[in-house]
Amino acid sequence: AQRVTQPEKLLSVFKGAPVELKCNYSYSGSPELFWYVQYSRQRLQLLLRHISRESIKGFTADLNKGETSFHLKKPFAQEEDSAMYYCALGGGYNKLIFGAGTRLAVHP
Amino acid sequence: NAGVMQNPRHLVRRRGQEARLRCSPMKGHSHVYWYRQLPEEGLKFMVYLQKENIIDESGMPKERFSAEFPKEGPSILRIQQVVRGDSAAYFCASSSDRGSGMNTEAFFGQGTRLTVV
Repeated sequence: AQRVTQPEKLLSVFKGAPVELKCNYSYSGSPELFWYVQYSRQRLQLLLRHISRESIKGFTADLNKGETSFHLKKPFAQEEDSAMYYCALGGGYNKLIFGAGTRLAVHP
Repeated sequence: NAGVMQNPRHLVRRRGQEARLRCSPMKGHSHVYWYRQLPEEGLKFMVYLQKENIIDESGMPKERFSAEFPKEGPSILRIQQVVRGDSAAYFCASSSDRGSGMNTEAFFGQGTRLTVV
C-alpha cells in the first residue's frame, strides 16, 4: 500500500536550532518524494522534490531507500520557517499521497 | 497568471442540500486534482481529471460525490445530500502536461472550506 507517515504533529524549536521533520513512506516502486509547505493564510506550495537534489530556503531532504525515509532538515531555523509541512509521495501522474503534516513552530 | 482559483472560499450548507465547489486551473494546465482535508488529517486524494475525462476517481466516495472538468469552464466537485461528515477543506490542484514521465509540479488553490450544519 502507498502510505506516507509523519509521526510528529507539532515540532517546536527556538530560532537558530537545527530542525528535522520526519517522513517515512511505503511504496513498492521507485518513489518520487516531495515536501510541500503551507504558511499561515497561504496556499500549499512545493518546497522541494528529491529528484532535483536542491536546497530551498536552507532546507534539504535526502531520500533514504533503505530506511524508506525522506526527512526534511535545516541547520538553523528561522522564525519565518513557522508553517505546516507536508511530505508527499508521487503515486503516478501527479497523484500525490500526503502525510498528515507537521506544524513547525520556531520561537524567538 | 492568477494561479489556481477556487470558489467559494467558504460554503455553508444544511444537511441534505447540495454543495458545488469550483476550481479554475492555472492557464495552460489541463490536469486537475481534488483533495479533501478533514480536521487534524492530511490531504486525501479524491479524483484526477483531464479535460472531459475522469482519469482516476479511486479516492471518491461511491455515493453522492461527483466531479467533472468540461471542455469549457472550471472543474466542479459536486456533493449531493451533504451530511455533517462532509465538512472539510477541499483543495484543487492543477498541473501541465507530463513531459518525461516525471511528476510535474502541482499548484494548489486556496481551498474551499465546507461546513455542513
